[in-house]
Amino acid sequence: EDQVTQSPEALRLQEGESSSLNCSYTVSGLRGLFWYRQDPGKGPEFLFTLYSAGEEKEKERLKATLTKKESFLHITAPKPEDSATYLCAVQRETSGSRLTFGEGTQLTVNP
Amino acid sequence: SAVISQKPSRDICQRGTSLTIQCQVDSQVTMMFWYRQQPGQSLTLIATANQGSEATYESGFVIDKFPISRPNLTFSTLTVSNMSPEDSSIYLCSVRGGADTQYFGPGTRLTVL
Repeated sequence: EDQVTQSPEALRLQEGESSSLNCSYTVSGLRGLFWYRQDPGKGPEFLFTLYSAGEEKEKERLKATLTKKESFLHITAPKPEDSATYLCAVQRETSGSRLTFGEGTQLTVNP
Repeated sequence: SAVISQKPSRDICQRGTSLTIQCQVDSQVTMMFWYRQQPGQSLTLIATANQGSEATYESGFVIDKFPISRPNLTFSTLTVSNMSPEDSSIYLCSVRGGADTQYFGPGTRLTVL
């Protein structure tokens, strides 16, 4: 059974204080690892898809990296508008389009 | 990316009743998905709905409780039947996009009293 574990559950940062969120996964045959951002009362917003170990993708202050066991979402010089819950999900090669989500990390960036 | 809308955005229902949630996409898509997000928890896939075929349900979800319709390539409905307070959740529709990703609608927040 696929498993996705995210840490920490919650993270408070000061504006400009860089940090990383972790997503550890166990899946038989990874097809892709996905990062989403979810604001309160809204659906998840797609950020990145990573396919193979060593791959990196960037978007503004966010950079996602992938190894064979985990993924990191690095946030550089965060701003209050980066406050949200960040979700990680995996897709198995043999599961069609089914995504297995982690519990998420709730990020708060204080001004 | 696809633009997805859901109706209603929220509802408060009585135990034992049923609610039908609508999902509309601005482009034709083959695969649509329904997820549930219980309070404080992450997303769980309920079923996959392909146009022209029966929906495929995940373990723990059954058609009698969550009947799904997929009449065309831009629309789907999910019904939550015979509701109990344990069905209080956010229900999300999503579609498969390019590059093996999925885009999500805004969700329907359901409270069952």
